[in-house]
Formats: sequence, C-alpha cells, structure tokens
Amino acid sequence: ETVLTQSPATLSLSPGERATLSCRASQSVSSYLAWYQQRPGQAPRLLIYDASNRATGIPARFSGSGSGTDFALTISSLEPEDFAVYYCQQRANWPLTFGGGTKVEIK
Amino acid sequence: EVQLLESGGVLVQPGGSLRLSCAASGFTFSNYAMSWVRQAPGKGLEWVSAISGSDGRAYYADSVKGRFTISRDNSKNTLYLQMNSLRAEDTAVYYCAKGGGTYPRNYFDYWGQGTLVTVSS
Repeated sequence: ETVLTQSPATLSLSPGERATLSCRASQSVSSYLAWYQQRPGQAPRLLIYDASNRATGIPARFSGSGSGTDFALTISSLEPEDFAVYYCQQRANWPLTFGGGTKVEIK
Repeated sequence: EVQLLESGGVLVQPGGSLRLSCAASGFTFSNYAMSWVRQAPGKGLEWVSAISGSDGRAYYADSVKGRFTISRDNSKNTLYLQMNSLRAEDTAVYYCAKGGGTYPRNYFDYWGQGTLVTVSS
C-alpha cells in the first residue's frame, strides 16, 4: 500500500498569507496525485489533479507541484474560505489512498 | 450540473447488513467509474471500493474485502454498496464519488453529501 504522509498536521496562518502544504508518498506515484479541500460539515472538493492541474472552477491562487514522492499544494494568498482541511490522494497504485490531512487554521 | 445523492445510512447492529444507494444525474453515468469513500467521525478519508464504468469490474480496500459488494445499474444511473457483517469500525459517513474517467483507479471530481452509517448495539 502506498502511504501518503502530510505535513504539517496543522498550519496556523493569517488571511493574506501564503500556505505551503506537503504530501510525501512511500513509493513513487509519478504525477498521479490529487488534492482536496474539506470544509466543516461538507463533502471534499477536488482542487488539483495529476499533481498540477486545477480542477474546474478552482481559483488560480491554488497551485500544485511535484512528482515521484514529494508534492506540494500552495495557496498564494489565503482567503477566509480557505481555512479548512486539505487531503492528498494517489491514484498510481491499488489501493487508492489518502493522506491524513493538514488543517489550515486562522492564526 | 452533476449531482450525487446517497441514501440508506442508518443505525445497525454489529453483524448486520445494509445497502447504500447513490443516485447520479447530470452526466453520462455509464462512462465513468464510481467509488465509495468513507470518513469515520473526526477522522480522515478512506477509500472503500470502486467500480469501472463499462465492464463493472470492482476493487476493494482490504478492510472491507469479502464483506462489502459494490455494484451499479447503468439503466437507473445508480450506484450501490451492499454492506454485510458490519463492525463498529465501519461507522462513518459514506460518500459516493464520481471518478475522473472510465477507469476506476482515478481521482474524484464530484462527491455526494454523504450518508451516515452507525454500527452499534
């Protein structure tokens, strides 16, 4: 099983600041990595797929990078609605797996 | 507009059975793989099962293999999850999720709002 490790577990930032979230895979997943946002009480929402492609309707302040085992999600300038939990997910290998999540909270 | 509406979540006793449904609309259902993803209370996301769009080939997480069965009825645009031999650790919100393509090893571009399954005596 491909284990995805997200860091940090919690990121405390202020609106307008830049956020960088990390996802590390236990084995190569090539570019087959996605990022999701989950706000409290809501279903997850796809932000980025295949490492760097923004999903439909996702603002340009969200960007993804990386390949192989190391990936990053960057939010260039945090908006109030961006404070949420973020998950990475790989589709390179069975079973499909998610990271444990990073909570972005208001400082 | 893509819509996914789950139903069937209830309180069930350990060892019991349950069938979840997911009614899909707004896209050509048979062209896309579908999955179930669950989230235990206060925990992260766990992929449960996936099914291909065309040939109905199914895939399972080890934690549910042999107990859960995923299926789909393309004529009714509906996805199912038959859950048997339920355990307390199966307690979670179960999400229906649309795959990004026909092949089930995929990301999930649309999600339902989820249905809560509680396994407790």
